[in-house]
Amino acid sequence: AQSVSQHNHHVILSEAASLELGCNYSYGGTVNLFWYVQYPGQHLQLLLKYFSGDPLVKGIKGFEAEFIKSKFSFNLRKPSVQWSDTAEYFCAVMRDDKIIFGKGTRLHILP
Amino acid sequence: DGGITQSPKYLFRKEGQNVTLSCEQNLNHDAMYWYRQDPGQGLRLIYYSQIVNDFQKGDIAEGYSVSREKKESFPLTVTSAQKNPTAFYLCASAPGQGLRGELFFGEGSRLTVL
Repeated sequence: AQSVSQHNHHVILSEAASLELGCNYSYGGTVNLFWYVQYPGQHLQLLLKYFSGDPLVKGIKGFEAEFIKSKFSFNLRKPSVQWSDTAEYFCAVMRDDKIIFGKGTRLHILP
Repeated sequence: DGGITQSPKYLFRKEGQNVTLSCEQNLNHDAMYWYRQDPGQGLRLIYYSQIVNDFQKGDIAEGYSVSREKKESFPLTVTSAQKNPTAFYLCASAPGQGLRGELFFGEGSRLTVL
């Protein structure tokens, strides 16, 4: 079945640690890729997106993600996390007008 | 302010009753989506609509129905056929060509079936 997989369900890091959250998808062909973030008590909001072009995309708050087509991956990275990055992160894939989300990764940053 | 309004925010219903969740947007977006969010399950797509008077089933459409009579409105009815309706429901919209796929979310409606 077509799906979006996020490898880590819950990640705990200390401030200033580096972050990488994995995302793989199983769709073939052209896809658009997204990372969304849900801060505690807030709406889901877009963190970054990839439609085409440079596979390394930069988003808000110092986040970036790299699209590796051969690996069907779109991992999210941040070199140095802050306590305010505590949130739930969702990878999503758009294919044929459907936008499918992964199960999410809950990130907890220790001050 | 432009945005997506979902109502009610909290809703309690007895088993066997249908309930309709409202979603209104004033962003002039073409596409609208309904998702269900459960702990550890992420967001699962219920229904989506790319244009007025047209909609498609998502991955978990059974027990739900929608209508899209106006561009700005996309109500979701949770019917008595839905086996596990207690959940957090999110409505989203997306603009047209060139920016498709970038979703704007409402605050959600939490439905509890007693």
